[in-house]
Amino acid sequence: SYELTQPLSVSVALGQTARITCGGYEIVTRNVHWYQQKPGQAPVLVIYRDSNRPSGIPERFSGSNSGNTATLIISRVQAGDEADFYCQVWDSNTAVFGGGTKLTVL
Amino acid sequence: EVQLVESGGDFVQSGGSLRLSCAASGFTFDTYAMNWVRQAPGKGLEWVSYISSSSSTIYIADSVKGRFTISRDNAKNSLYLQMNSLRDEDTAVYYCARTPNEYQLPRFDYWGQGTLVTVSS
Repeated sequence: SYELTQPLSVSVALGQTARITCGGYEIVTRNVHWYQQKPGQAPVLVIYRDSNRPSGIPERFSGSNSGNTATLIISRVQAGDEADFYCQVWDSNTAVFGGGTKLTVL
Repeated sequence: EVQLVESGGDFVQSGGSLRLSCAASGFTFDTYAMNWVRQAPGKGLEWVSYISSSSSTIYIADSVKGRFTISRDNAKNSLYLQMNSLRDEDTAVYYCARTPNEYQLPRFDYWGQGTLVTVSS
């Protein structure tokens, strides 16, 4: 089965750029989606198909996908961006999520 | 406004059964595929099951295959998850989530607030 690997945690200073990676075998051939989940809330789709932003998601959120790594990029990080982030792909009739990354804003 | 409201979560003994419901509003329910996704306490997201708009295509995770059944009633704008032979490891918040385009590989653009299922022996 396909596996997605995310770092457990990423820390970034307020106003700087955060990069959260999602590793998978030849992930560049997949459509990668990203979700943000704040404590006690349902997940929210922030990036779909590698680099597309749903309506209502700030331009500060972007994504890329190359080789074996997809990356969620959050520019000008704000305190309110603190959350868990999950990547997701579809493989063999199954949705696969990464283990999640906790973003801490310093 | 798209709304998904889950219900039916409860405390149940190991080996028991439970039926979850998800009431949808704010969109044309019978044109969208739907899913169940769960999250164990303090853990990550785990996809459970997918059903196409017409119920013609159903996918289910290996971890629940043979025990859980997804279904929908388009006349009632409702999604269901019948859970049988429940185990301690099924304890989780269960979310229903919409897939925005049935002709693309599934992603989840709207989520409900979840309903808690607690299984204990």
